[in-house]
Amino acid sequence: SQQGEEDPQALSIQEGENATMNCSYKTSINNLQWYRQNSGRGLVHLILIRSNEREKHSGRLRVTLDTSKKSSSLLITASRAADTASYFCATAEDSSYKLIFGSGTRLLVRP
Amino acid sequence: NAGVTQTPKFQVLKTGQSMTLQCAQDMNHNSMYWYRQDPGMGLRLIYYSASEGTTDKGEVPNGYNVSRLNKREFSLRLESAAPSQTSVYFCASKERPGRDNEQFFGPGTRLTVL
Repeated sequence: SQQGEEDPQALSIQEGENATMNCSYKTSINNLQWYRQNSGRGLVHLILIRSNEREKHSGRLRVTLDTSKKSSSLLITASRAADTASYFCATAEDSSYKLIFGSGTRLLVRP
Repeated sequence: NAGVTQTPKFQVLKTGQSMTLQCAQDMNHNSMYWYRQDPGMGLRLIYYSASEGTTDKGEVPNGYNVSRLNKREFSLRLESAAPSQTSVYFCASKERPGRDNEQFFGPGTRLTVL
């Protein structure tokens, strides 16, 4: 079963706009990670946020984590056409060394 | 420094045939993973190897076997392929078994079982 569920499933925005994706999960986690997948490629790690952190930044990326609501959001600011990809959240549970991936958000950034 | 490499890139099998998917990493990572990705879904863990000499089942291990040949290589074998195993297979590695480090992914193998 999938731990993380992303929302929305698909998102289409204009270049320059911000994109927000949400992830909900079910169990206690050690950390939550976001990955990007370009069409036909493997996943690339973007950012990791630990369970005791509330917000983290990396370049144009901002991730928040609310453990009380079991949810996380990924914000991409000033989006570019090159940001077009699928974005996945993945949770590392306290009880396991495995990562559990959500079903992803497909982002299309229109030039 | 190639990262994680997978062979082959594409494969078509008939039902009942067997094959081995190869994965190698050159980052001296301890842990390696096999996932499958079906259309519109995230990755599901098939098997993993937390360190050389150990392997464990993931979420969907039925129909697969793995071998951690050495620290660099982790292969996935389909003994008798079924159409339900049509998928894209990704290998990944990470530096250490703990939870707080990222996984590095290979480019994937696209498998079709007729």
